[in-house]
This record gives sequence, structure tokens and C-alpha cells, in this order.
Amino acid sequence: GAVVSQHPSWVICKSGTSVKIECRSLDFQATTMFWYRQFPKKSLMLMATSNEGSKATYEQGVEKDKFLINHASLTLSTLTVTSAHPEDSSFYICSAKQNHYGYTFGSGTRLTVV
Amino acid sequence: AQTVTQSQPEMSVQEAETVTLSCTYDTSESDYYLFWYKQPPSRQMILVIRQEAYKQQNATENRFSVNFQKAAKSFSLKISDSQLGDAAMYFCAYAGTASKLTFGTGTRLQVTL
Repeated sequence: GAVVSQHPSWVICKSGTSVKIECRSLDFQATTMFWYRQFPKKSLMLMATSNEGSKATYEQGVEKDKFLINHASLTLSTLTVTSAHPEDSSFYICSAKQNHYGYTFGSGTRLTVV
Repeated sequence: AQTVTQSQPEMSVQEAETVTLSCTYDTSESDYYLFWYKQPPSRQMILVIRQEAYKQQNATENRFSVNFQKAAKSFSLKISDSQLGDAAMYFCAYAGTASKLTFGTGTRLQVTL
């Protein structure tokens, strides 16, 4: 079946630094990937939609300069949290659209900013 | 904008019994997909079942089945013969022409002995 690899699974960074999270489709090409944020015991909140070769589309209220998304190839999308602060600590999940309404999720990244 | 509502924050079921999780949605689109995802403590999102809106027949996957009522915009999940491994958060989700998934708030399912 379709597999999406997300790395790292957890990361701790100092306040003010940047951290990059990778989302890679291993056995299929994903023209569209999605990035979600999930707070403890809450639902997934869509942050942005990433399309290969074009700029990401951000949801309302998401700071595009803080959460940089790059989808440079058909198998890789990255999310960079710039100048991270403790309030950016969260669980981030990526999802790749496999085909017509088929979605595969990465295993998530737990980000802690200290 | 589409919305998905799960009115049951928590549910409990005894092992081997049947439980139904509720989900309603709001949309003006005619062509869309509905999903139930399971999120265990590992937090990996696992697809449980998918329903295409144009199909009248309710989707079934082993012990999991849905009751899709398009006119009522209702999409409930029935889990039969519940097992301890079914304990998790369950999210109902909608995908329309924009292709992005909209999730409900989730229902935490406990399975007791």
C-alpha cells in the first residue's frame, strides 16, 4: 500500500531557531500534499495545501512567513517552522493525496520549542 | 464552507458489543467523499472506511459499516464485535471539490472488558 514517510518523528529546538519537517511519498507520486497541526486531544487543523511546483495555499489565520512550505518534487514536501517559539509547539502531520480522494498520512512530528 | 460535526466527545462499548459513532456534515456540493479515520495513541491516522456520495449503497469493511443518509447529511459509523484494539480517537472527515479534508472534532472510543 501507499506509504508516506515523515521525519523527524520528534524534535526539540531552542526558541528563535528554525526547524524543517520532511514528508516523503515512498511509492507513489503526490502532486498535492497537506500539512496539519494537531493540539493535544483536538482535531486536525489544516494549515496549508502544497502543490508540486507551485506556491502553497495557506488556510486563513496561518502565517505563511512563519510556516514555509516547499513542494519541489512529486515525492517531497517540507514544512519549515521559522523563528520558532514555545507557542509553535505542537504535533504536525502531513498527508499526500494518492489518487482521486485517496489520502495517506505520515506518522507525524512532535515539535517542542524550549 | 463545509463543516463536519461529531456530537459525541466520548463513547464507551463493551468488548464484543456494537457501537455507533455519529457524524453530520454541511455542504452545498453534490459530489464528495466521506471518511472515518482512526487515530490510536501512536497518533498515526488510519483510514477505517470511505463512502462516495454518489453511491447509495453503504460502505462496509469487515466489522465496520456506515449508515450514509445523504438527504439528512448524516454519516454514522457502526463497529460490530468491538475489540480492545478498536479503542482510539475516531474522526469523521469530508472531501469535496477542493480535495482537502475537513475533519470533525473527534470521538474518543473506549472499549471495556
